[in-house]
Amino acid sequence: DAGVIQSPRHEVTEMGQEVTLRCKPISGHDYLFWYRQTMMRGLELLIYFNNNVPIDDSGMPEDRFSAKMPNASFSTLKIQPSEPRDSAVYFCASSFSRDSAEAFFGQGTRLTVV
Amino acid sequence: AQSVTQLDSQVPVFEEAPVELRCNYSSSVSVYLFWYVQYPNQGLQLLLKYLSGSTLVESINGFEAEFNKSQTSFHLRKPSVHISDTAEYFCAVRSNNQGGKLIFGQGTELSVKP
Repeated sequence: DAGVIQSPRHEVTEMGQEVTLRCKPISGHDYLFWYRQTMMRGLELLIYFNNNVPIDDSGMPEDRFSAKMPNASFSTLKIQPSEPRDSAVYFCASSFSRDSAEAFFGQGTRLTVV
Repeated sequence: AQSVTQLDSQVPVFEEAPVELRCNYSSSVSVYLFWYVQYPNQGLQLLLKYLSGSTLVESINGFEAEFNKSQTSFHLRKPSVHISDTAEYFCAVRSNNQGGKLIFGQGTELSVKP
């Protein structure tokens, strides 16, 4: 398996534009996590899914952020409209459906909003 | 609710010296504990994990961590560090019956100097 695949690796956009980040989890994994990493706040859990269903989205900063998982092999995180404070590295991770299972991370998407 | 505290944001150390990176967790139920490592511009990689059994767990590159239930700690240690160990280290917790949520600490930046 190629691991968790995220695209794009880098995204530069202007304030107010819509941004869509994409993630393909490892085949067979039931959980999918979206994290945001910044210098100030570290690694924050934004939302996670189990079997394509959102379980906890309490970490989503505000209504400008939305995430979907239409099927077991694809998820998106959308920011509309984007703001400079959204600049961060966004990671997607997936795991098997066991509490003892470790998560496998993608390489991340570095988002810069100017 | 579960949480993770990494007490040191930065740890500078000389090559071949011992190092300890501290991690404390808070959870009302049984936990599974993980240490991840992040090299510059990369995603997180699993370093080691505690699931059950022996409280001392080891990684293949000389790191070890000890689970201490009474102190709710899972400190990471290495008796002699190398330049190549320079990275950011994250402690994480996943609890039984918590919906699979995976929570990370703020991270500790380990800087190994010659």
